[in-house]
Amino acid sequence: SQQGEEDPQALSIQEGENATMNCSYKTSINNLQWYRQNSGRGLVHLILIRSNEREKHSGRLRVTLDTSKKSSSLLITASRAADTASYFCATASFTGNQFYFGTGTSLTVIP
Amino acid sequence: KAGVTQTPRYLIKTRGQQVTLSCSPISGHRSVSWYQQTPGQGLQFLFEYFSETQRNKGNFPGRFSGRQFSNSRSEMNVSTLELGDSALYLCASSLIGTGTVGNAIYFGEGSWLTVV
Repeated sequence: SQQGEEDPQALSIQEGENATMNCSYKTSINNLQWYRQNSGRGLVHLILIRSNEREKHSGRLRVTLDTSKKSSSLLITASRAADTASYFCATASFTGNQFYFGTGTSLTVIP
Repeated sequence: KAGVTQTPRYLIKTRGQQVTLSCSPISGHRSVSWYQQTPGQGLQFLFEYFSETQRNKGNFPGRFSGRQFSNSRSEMNVSTLELGDSALYLCASSLIGTGTVGNAIYFGEGSWLTVV
């Protein structure tokens, strides 16, 4: 079963606005990774944040991690139409070699 | 550096047949894992291989199997196909496996399987 849940399930914004999506998970993790998936395509790795990190930036992406609340957020600033995709968080635990995915947020950026 | 390569990209099979999907990981990566993605179930873990050994297996029937070769390339096989096996099958590659801090997991474009 999937460990994570993402919120919202769907998000529609205007180009240039910021998009924030949240991910919650259930058990202790050693890292959390965010992915983008365009329709019918594979998963593109966006960013990895370790359990001892609280915030990480990569270009227009900002990820935060709150292990006490077992949650993470992904912020995309100054969104573009090309950011339209589904976004997934995935967690890896210290025990077991398995990667758990969230349910995904479908982001639509309107030009 | 080439990414994760999956073949074939698309295939159509008939119920009862079997299928083999192939994955070439990123050069130097020793861990390969497989996932099934469907609209109803989302992304579900099938199994992970590291240095030719299966390290972990998800909750899928025995019809789903895999293997890894000495060059880290991996194949997964589904026998006696059912309509419900129609899905996008994704292969993921990492340096040393999913249970390690700071270890990024990279995915291929997937293989679209349609069972009719």
